[in-house]
This record gives sequence, structure tokens and C-alpha cells, in this order.
Amino acid sequence: GAGVSQSPSNKVTEKGKDVELRCDPISGHTALYWYRQSLGQGLEFLIYFQGNSAPDKSGLPSDRFSAERTGGSVSTLTIQRTQQEDSAVYLCASSLEGRIQETQYFGPGTRLLVL
Amino acid sequence: AQSVTQLDSHVSVSEGTPVLLRCNYSSSYSPSLFWYVQHPNKGLQLLLKYTSAATLVKGINGFEAEFKKSETSFHLTKPSAHMSDAAEYFCVVSYGGATNKLIFGTGTLLAVQP
Repeated sequence: GAGVSQSPSNKVTEKGKDVELRCDPISGHTALYWYRQSLGQGLEFLIYFQGNSAPDKSGLPSDRFSAERTGGSVSTLTIQRTQQEDSAVYLCASSLEGRIQETQYFGPGTRLLVL
Repeated sequence: AQSVTQLDSHVSVSEGTPVLLRCNYSSSYSPSLFWYVQHPNKGLQLLLKYTSAATLVKGINGFEAEFKKSETSFHLTKPSAHMSDAAEYFCVVSYGGATNKLIFGTGTLLAVQP
């Protein structure tokens, strides 16, 4: 079946602009995660959704970052007033129920470059 | 803080020789442990995972890892490297809790020489 998909695959924006990144999880997966992969910080957790709720937002680096999930499916990560340090690959993952030991399946990522 | 440490940032082996990628985790309580692989310009793919069933875990492409609680280690091995194994490998831990978020090591870049 279809895996996790993300769009766009690449995004170049100017400092100060807002961007939206989209994630389509595997159908039927209730748990959805956003991670960020950057040269300086490695791979780090951003936010976790269970259904449409986000019980853990502890990894969001600032209030310029927000995310939502609708219909228990698609999620959008929004970065407002982008800064150069936001340049990174943003990865989305989903798992069946969000339980420990479950495999998280990753999408190909969105590569964001802020000029 | 809960963490995972990959001891080598780069490992280079010759094709046909064994691979050893080292990983240690911090020991708060029993974690779930994973190895993911990332090929150039590709997404993260699960190689194998430890979930407290068997301490020796076999994964895809001939890789395996052994969970050693006394050493808090979860090293990844393969008896014979193939050119296609060249990639970045991440040791990953999850301590469960409310979110089951993954905590990634800094990665080991494996080069395979012909």
C-alpha cells in the first residue's frame, strides 16, 4: 500500500515568509509525528498527534512553529516568519496507534531552504 | 536526559568484510531500540527493532543487533558488507510514555570500499 507522503519535496523561501508543509500518513494510522533533520542538531522530535489532538508539542522550537491535523489524517506544519536557522529537512512519520514498540514509518521529507 | 550515543560518526570497511556500528543508550528503564538506515536522498527505513522478546534481533539485508542490558548497548552487525550497504545508520531509542517519540543518535556514515 501507499506509504507516508510529504509535499512539497523541496521548498525555497525568503527569510520572513511563512511556509506550510504537508504530510499524508499511512491510511488507518492514528499516530503522526513530525521530526526535523538539520546539520547542527541531527534528527529531533517536533510534535506528536494522536488523532487530531497533539498531546506532545514539546519539540517545537519556538512559537513560530505550529501544526494541525484534520480528519485524523493529513497534517500541516506551519512555520511563520521563517529564519535561516529553520533550514532543514522536515520529516513526517506515522504509526498504527502510537504505542511503544510500534514501528514509525517515515516519509521522504521536505527540504526547506530559507534564504 | 534520556539519550542514545553512536560512538563512531564514520566507519569504512571493505566489501566482504564484517560491519560493526556501535550504539549505547542511557538506562532509565527498558527502552525499545531501533536501527534505521538512510540512503542518499532517500527516506528513513527501519532495519530492525528490539522489543524485549529476543535479545538477538535479525533485520533486513543480513543485519542483526544484540541487546545487552549489562552494557546498555545495541550494536549493529553484518557478517559481510556489500557496496549497497553504504548509507547513514541511526540508532534510535523510545522510552514510551505518553508519546512514544523517537530519540535519534547522531548517525554513523558507513562507507564500503571495493
